[in-house]
Amino acid sequence: GAVVSQHPSRVICKSGTSVKIECRSLDFQATTMFWYRQFPKKSLMLMATSNEGSKATYEQGVEKDKFLINHASLTLSTLTVTSAHPEDSSFYICSAINRDRGSYGYTFGSGTRLTVV
Amino acid sequence: DAKTTQPPSMDCAEGRAANLPCNHSTISGNEYVYWYRQIHSQGPQYIIHGLKNNETNEMASLIITEDRKSSTLILPHATLRDTAVYYCIAHEGAGSYQLTFGKGTKLSVIP
Repeated sequence: GAVVSQHPSRVICKSGTSVKIECRSLDFQATTMFWYRQFPKKSLMLMATSNEGSKATYEQGVEKDKFLINHASLTLSTLTVTSAHPEDSSFYICSAINRDRGSYGYTFGSGTRLTVV
Repeated sequence: DAKTTQPPSMDCAEGRAANLPCNHSTISGNEYVYWYRQIHSQGPQYIIHGLKNNETNEMASLIITEDRKSSTLILPHATLRDTAVYYCIAHEGAGSYQLTFGKGTKLSVIP
């Protein structure tokens, strides 16, 4: 149990366009979801935390108008990279938490490789 | 989360046990020790976690020292598919805030 599906796994987009990444919890209700970003050979860095039905909380230095996060239901969160530029190229990973599972509850998606050309 | 310290890289021969150390000398009493791993270009995968007692599951064993200031993740029979970056994280597990990832240990399993 506790599967998180992230889609797409890879996307290439033109500079200036927007890209939406979906994160779904398949067999549990995700009360909280986290979005991470990872540059090559670096560790995961948290971008934002979203709770279902409320606005996301962004980490310092993350532009909330550029990285739009929506967590409209207990099974779906989306990250939209708006007006993407080459420097936004990165590996984006979501994580969902099921509070009912307590300390077992962190499950990660398989990641999305974004390339902006 | 308490700070954790891990060696940047380790090698292990295929079929042998891989022992990955982690120091967490400032861990608080209600923080668990979590281990995750990340295979190249994939999301992190949960391995095991523990509070005080040693733990074992189908993937690995976790040995926590009595003073809880350090721990060791043991992969009993490493395979090539275990090549990954392994992250040791001290976290309360309350579920309301994020896991903070350090640099981890890059484990290379060698044929």
